[in-house]
Amino acid sequence: AQKVTQAQTEISVVEKEDVTLDCVYETRDTTYYLFWYKQPPSGELVFLIRRNSFDEQNEISGRYSWNFQKSTSSFNFTITASQVVDSAVYFCALSPGGYQKVTFGTGTKLQVIP
Amino acid sequence: EAGVAQSPRYKIIEKRQSVAFWCNPISGHATLYWYQQILGQGPKLLIQFQNNGVVDDSQLPKDRFSAERLKGVDSTLKIQPAKLEDSAVYLCASSLGGTGYRGTEAFFGQGTRLTVV
Repeated sequence: AQKVTQAQTEISVVEKEDVTLDCVYETRDTTYYLFWYKQPPSGELVFLIRRNSFDEQNEISGRYSWNFQKSTSSFNFTITASQVVDSAVYFCALSPGGYQKVTFGTGTKLQVIP
Repeated sequence: EAGVAQSPRYKIIEKRQSVAFWCNPISGHATLYWYQQILGQGPKLLIQFQNNGVVDDSQLPKDRFSAERLKGVDSTLKIQPAKLEDSAVYLCASSLGGTGYRGTEAFFGQGTRLTVV
């Protein structure tokens, strides 16, 4: 069975602060993929990043960075110098290899206050 | 490139009525998904198609929900009869292959917000 836990339900930060969104996952598969999606008020889910279980390199994309640690089964997401446009619900997701369903966490609502 | 199109955006129906949602995936995407997202929760997969065949429908309440993907392109999701607990956003997504297949990400539509009263 797969499980994704996002313990932070809501986070509020002041603009320009850094913020980290936590994601802890459980799986028995040795090959799996981790994702982060952003869901703005418009409702659609926007893909941010994909990571496979064999690649533990951290990744940075502009103000976004991701820290994948297999030892702690975590895939945390940091936004540096947050902006109001970052306000959204962020979902962490997990999928084993092959044509398997994606399991989403419950999401973290981020509010960036100007 | 056009994204995943869904219609309608909003729908209000009374319980026991029927409703249908439509999805047009990104051109060339073989895999299509329907997710149900209840307020405050993450999306839950209802059904996954690979071309016009069903890959996973283990979480689809088959007594009232049905879905089809004719000709491996557009898809419709139907609820008949609707219950109050079906109130949710129904998201359609598509990907080149299965989401886990070589880690291909899914692209989501804006969803249909269903309210059952």
